[in-house]
Amino acid sequence: TQLLEQSPQFLSIQEGENLTVYCNSSSVFSSLQWYRQEPGEGPVLLVTVVTGGEVKKLKRLTFQFGDARKDSSLHITAAQPGDTGLYLCAGERKTSYDKVIFGPGTSLSVIP
Amino acid sequence: GAVVSQHPSWVICKSGTSVKIECRSLDFQATTMFWYRQFPKQSLMLMATSNEGSKATYEQGVEKDKFLINHASLTLSTLTVTSAHPEDSSFYICSARDPSGHTGELFFGEGSRLTVL
Repeated sequence: TQLLEQSPQFLSIQEGENLTVYCNSSSVFSSLQWYRQEPGEGPVLLVTVVTGGEVKKLKRLTFQFGDARKDSSLHITAAQPGDTGLYLCAGERKTSYDKVIFGPGTSLSVIP
Repeated sequence: GAVVSQHPSWVICKSGTSVKIECRSLDFQATTMFWYRQFPKQSLMLMATSNEGSKATYEQGVEKDKFLINHASLTLSTLTVTSAHPEDSSFYICSARDPSGHTGELFFGEGSRLTVL
């Protein structure tokens, strides 16, 4: 059972277009992170959202955490080829081991 | 920021041999490290949580006798793939959280690509 779902799974767009990636769960998370990963490398943290309804902006990237802390979205404005990569959402549930569970990922390809 | 380093970055081995992957936290002490496995074009699957000075906690479906984890110090965790087979070929990634960090960010190693012939 996948705790976190992401959509779309694959996305190919032209440079300059906007896009939104969604991360959904039936579980409540104490925090949710978005990572970007390039082939052959480890994931790199983009943002952590903690408070329900929180919105964070990172240049052309806008992240939102749902009010119920079960879902999140990542919006990219005017996508560039450098945005190409695998975008992963990850939820943290406060268990005795503070595990971070990853969603299946969204593979984004921005065509020049 | 905190740095987590893995070694080797890639390894090729024959079927039946064992391979050890190291994960080090370079500028902080980590009582807990996490080991993930990633197949091509797929997400990271948590294999186990490595606890310094105690036994690792394995996720359901992960064979503890197959994937031996040792967290002997506060800066080093090792994953040994025993009697490796071609289906064990994958990208293995470790991560650790800097306990002194304000955000509790999880730092990832560069990953280790294992190919079993």
